[in-house]
Amino acid sequence: SQQGEEDPQALSIQEGENATMNCSYKTSINNLQWYRQNSGRGLVHLILIRSNEREKHSGRLRVTLDTSKKSSSLLITASRAADTASYFCATDPNQAGTALIFGKGTTLSVSS
Amino acid sequence: GAVVSQHPSRVICKSGTSVKIECRSLDFQATTMFWYRQFPKQSLMLMATSNEGSKATYEQGVEKDKFLINHASLTLSTLTVTSAHPEDSSFYICSARRGQLSYEQYFGPGTRLTVT
Repeated sequence: SQQGEEDPQALSIQEGENATMNCSYKTSINNLQWYRQNSGRGLVHLILIRSNEREKHSGRLRVTLDTSKKSSSLLITASRAADTASYFCATDPNQAGTALIFGKGTTLSVSS
Repeated sequence: GAVVSQHPSRVICKSGTSVKIECRSLDFQATTMFWYRQFPKQSLMLMATSNEGSKATYEQGVEKDKFLINHASLTLSTLTVTSAHPEDSSFYICSARRGQLSYEQYFGPGTRLTVT
């Protein structure tokens, strides 16, 4: 099952610009996580935000969470060519034994 | 941090044969592991939840007789794709929770299956 919807599906920007990706979900969550995936590779965990948090920062990443709207955003500031990848949000109900459910993802292309 | 490994990383097999993919938690015990499938340019789709010592729970639309899951120990889950067909070609990724109530879920590097 897949409950997240990301937009945009694809985003092309220049180096140095900011990239914003949005994620919406349908059910209640304990936390929401963002992952990056380079083409043909595994997932890299970026950041986790708990349901009682509204904003979180990690380096050039800023994540927001609005549980009333069931949405989250990931902002990458001062983007670099190396940020080119697919980005997925994943929701975690954190009920015992449950899996993360992934959104459809945003493909980010950063050109130099 | 915790590490989850998968073996093999890539496999090519002929149509009609079976392929086994292993998922191991290297430095923690995982009572629950998850198997995902990812088609090109798509997201990860949960296939099944693998529970140590009991039967796996499959998501709707996933054939349990085709995708056999065995979680024989607290550190190993296996996914066997039986009678593989070209449409089974995909990227298979496993993950494991360190504990039932842990926020942290660790992903394996994935297995690229190509069925010719």
